[in-house]
Amino acid sequence: EIVLTQSPGTLSSSPGERATLSCRASQSVSSSYLAWYQQKPGQGPRLLIYGASSRATGIPDRFSGSGSGTDFTLTISRLEPEDCAVYYCQQYGRSRWTFGQGTKVEIK
Amino acid sequence: EVQLVESGGGLVQPGGSLRLSCAASGFTFSSYSMNWVRQAPGKGLEWVSYISSSGSAIYYADSVKGRFTISRDNPKNSLYLQINSLRAEDTAVYYCARWVRAADGTNYYYYMDVWGKGTTVTVSS
Repeated sequence: EIVLTQSPGTLSSSPGERATLSCRASQSVSSSYLAWYQQKPGQGPRLLIYGASSRATGIPDRFSGSGSGTDFTLTISRLEPEDCAVYYCQQYGRSRWTFGQGTKVEIK
Repeated sequence: EVQLVESGGGLVQPGGSLRLSCAASGFTFSSYSMNWVRQAPGKGLEWVSYISSSGSAIYYADSVKGRFTISRDNPKNSLYLQINSLRAEDTAVYYCARWVRAADGTNYYYYMDVWGKGTTVTVSS
């Protein structure tokens, strides 16, 4: 099973700052199968990025994804107060889906 | 509006059973594969089970194999999860999510694009 490790566990930044979230896989992952989700308290997850770098419908362009192989990154270019949430990466392979443990983004 | 609504959660004793439902609307349910994903209190997301659009392919996480059964009724636009022999560690919010295979030229992409709000299962005596 492919394990996804996200870092940092918690990221605290001010509005307008850039946030960089990392997702590292224990084995190489196809970019086609790598997605990022945002989850706010009391809500279901929301798709942000699919195919490692494609924004989902309605997602602001301050969110971007990059990476390949075992290292993937979600970047929020200019943090806004509504970006306060937990962010998860996810991969699919060999009839198994796995999620990273999440990165909590706090706005100072 | 594309929507998924889970129901059927509740408080159940260890060893008990529950049947979770997910009602789909706003899209052609029979054209999409579906997943169940759960989240224990204060924890991250854990994939539980997958079923293909026709129901011919089914997969389970090792943690639930043999105890959980996924199924679907396409004419009723509904997804189900029968959960038996419940344990304390099954306590979680259970989400249903639509699985998408999308094409962009020569590339294919796979992701869960629509999620419900979840239904809570609590296993306790």
